[in-house]
Amino acid sequence: EPEVTQTPSHQVTQMGQEVILRCVPISNHLYFYWYRQILGQKVEFLVSFYNNEISEKSEIFDDQFSVERPDGSNFTLKIRSTKLEDSAMYFCASSEMGASGGYEQYFGPGTRLTVT
Amino acid sequence: AQTVTQSQPEMSVQEAETVTLSCTYDTSESDYYLFWYKQPPSRQMILVIRQEAYKQQNATENRFSVNFQKAAKSFSLKISDSQLGDAAMYFCAYRSPIGSGGSNYKLTFGKGTLLTVNP
Repeated sequence: EPEVTQTPSHQVTQMGQEVILRCVPISNHLYFYWYRQILGQKVEFLVSFYNNEISEKSEIFDDQFSVERPDGSNFTLKIRSTKLEDSAMYFCASSEMGASGGYEQYFGPGTRLTVT
Repeated sequence: AQTVTQSQPEMSVQEAETVTLSCTYDTSESDYYLFWYKQPPSRQMILVIRQEAYKQQNATENRFSVNFQKAAKSFSLKISDSQLGDAAMYFCAYRSPIGSGGSNYKLTFGKGTLLTVNP
């Protein structure tokens, strides 16, 4: 069964450094998302991406964040200058969103980001 | 903006018994989608069940079923014949309808209910 994959599973970085989190969505899916979950808290929406552009972003998704689909398979989240409060689990998700439905979002296993 | 509330931070159930997890939401939209996701200790988010608001029939997936009360804006999850593998954090989530302008497809999650299954 197709699945969303994410790399790395765990990233440790120093405050102020740039990190890139990578995701490979399910191949026939059209919409891509990033969510964040700070330990012990609920999952929060960051950004959605469709047709090579951001379709919606939350207030969390400020100028230090960016997303890109550099090729036909990868979807990346870049954090330019990490802060301690960026430490969280980052989930990528994708959905088909075709005319027949396919609105379910399927999540990857997550990347645990630790900022020291 | 839509909000999702899960009023039970923790629940426990005996193996083979039935448990119901509560979820309420607030929206002004008439059509939308509701989901339950399971997050085991591995922290992977797994879709358990979905419900389209325009459908009156409650969704069922094997041992999992929902009680969808649209007027009350309630969406509870019932797990029958609970198994040890059901132990996880369960999140209720809301999504706006397709065709709402290409945006608002984000999921809005509740804070979750931690389910413990006792042998």
